[in-house]
Amino acid sequence: GEDVEQSLFLSVREGDSSVINCTYTDSSSTYLYWYKQEPGAGLQLLTYIFSNMDMKQDQRLTVLLNKKDKHLSLRIADTQTGDSAIYFCAESEGGSQGNLIFGKGTKLSVKP
Amino acid sequence: DAGVIQSPRHEVTEMGQEVTLRCKPISGHDYLFWYRQTMMRGLELLIYFNNNVPIDDSGMPEDRFSAKMPNASFSTLKIQPSEPRDSAVYFCASTDRTGFVSGNTIYFGEGSWLTVV
Repeated sequence: GEDVEQSLFLSVREGDSSVINCTYTDSSSTYLYWYKQEPGAGLQLLTYIFSNMDMKQDQRLTVLLNKKDKHLSLRIADTQTGDSAIYFCAESEGGSQGNLIFGKGTKLSVKP
Repeated sequence: DAGVIQSPRHEVTEMGQEVTLRCKPISGHDYLFWYRQTMMRGLELLIYFNNNVPIDDSGMPEDRFSAKMPNASFSTLKIQPSEPRDSAVYFCASTDRTGFVSGNTIYFGEGSWLTVV
């Protein structure tokens, strides 16, 4: 079945860039997503990218998509302590956009 | 907009007891999802409804789990009897047809944190 893999932890210093990586298996996914979960809260859609794009920039966030390698990354520029959270990569299963397959999440810790 | 509302936020129950989790989707949304989050398995889709009808329940773990959506503004996820391995965060999410097709406007509730002892 479909699978999404990402590293579990990332630690950076405030002001540095953070890069969170993800690999996925379903080549039929039309969109790929990044969700953010702050402690004790639900998931919030951070950004997404259409599968025919290879880059999307949104303020401090840059999403890179390598469709050939099925690799997705999220870069956060000038990381702040408020960015500390768990970041989930997700793909849509079999082109059905409503059924999202999530990775286990990368816990980003930002040190002052 | 109040967002997706879940209750209870936290519940601690004893093994063998019945647990009922509740969800109120965003008004106008006709798709509703139940997800479970654990450390071991991450986020898993349990079931989703469209227009109050269950469409895909292949993620429901076993017969102890059941979900209903009696009307467009309310859904329940029931576990009977509960077991310690059911301890997890249960998220409800909702969207409309446009969001379902694109996946980029699925809204999550804040979760129900269940502990079964």
